[in-house]
Amino acid sequence: EIVLTQSPGTLSLSPGERATLSCRASQSVSSSYLAWYQQKPGQAPRLLIYGASSRATGIPDRFSGSGSGTDFTLTISRLEPEDFAVYYCQQYGSSPVTFGPGTKVDIK
Amino acid sequence: EVQLLESGGGLVQPGGSLRLSCAASGFTFSSYAMSWVRQAPGKGLEWVSAISGSGGSTYYADSVKGRFTISRDNSKNTLYLQMNSLRAEDTAVYYCAKSEVRVCSGGSCYLDYWGQGTLVTVSS
Repeated sequence: EIVLTQSPGTLSLSPGERATLSCRASQSVSSSYLAWYQQKPGQAPRLLIYGASSRATGIPDRFSGSGSGTDFTLTISRLEPEDFAVYYCQQYGSSPVTFGPGTKVDIK
Repeated sequence: EVQLLESGGGLVQPGGSLRLSCAASGFTFSSYAMSWVRQAPGKGLEWVSAISGSGGSTYYADSVKGRFTISRDNSKNTLYLQMNSLRAEDTAVYYCAKSEVRVCSGGSCYLDYWGQGTLVTVSS
């Protein structure tokens, strides 16, 4: 199975700053089948990005995804107060689906 | 509006059984594959199982294969997860989630809508 590694584990930033989150796969992710989810405490995950770079319905354009092969990035251009959360990447290019361990974005 | 509402969680002893349900609304249920994903307390997300829109194809994580059974009743717009031989390590919040296609190849899809989850605690 494909193992996903996310870095950093925690990112401490201030509102208005840019956040860059990394997701690295143990082998190439087929067809850039990589998604990103946001999860806030006590809530279900919410889909942000699929296909490495396509924003899900209703997701603000400050969220963007990029990458291919084994290296992927989620960028939040200017952090809003509601963006402080845990972010997970997921590959769905091969079976079984796997998730990364998450990156927590907290307020500096 | 897509809504997914899980139920059936609770406290169960090791070796016991539990059936989770997920009531779906706001979309044509039979047209989409569905999945279960779990999250142990304070931990990350783990895919558990997936089923095609017709129910004819099912997929399982190795950690639950042979113990859990996923099914769906398209006439009732409901997804199920029958969990047998439960272990302490099955303790988690279980989420049902919708995919964007009818069949996920090998059970692998991204998940565009999630329910709020139901907590399963396996303990004596």
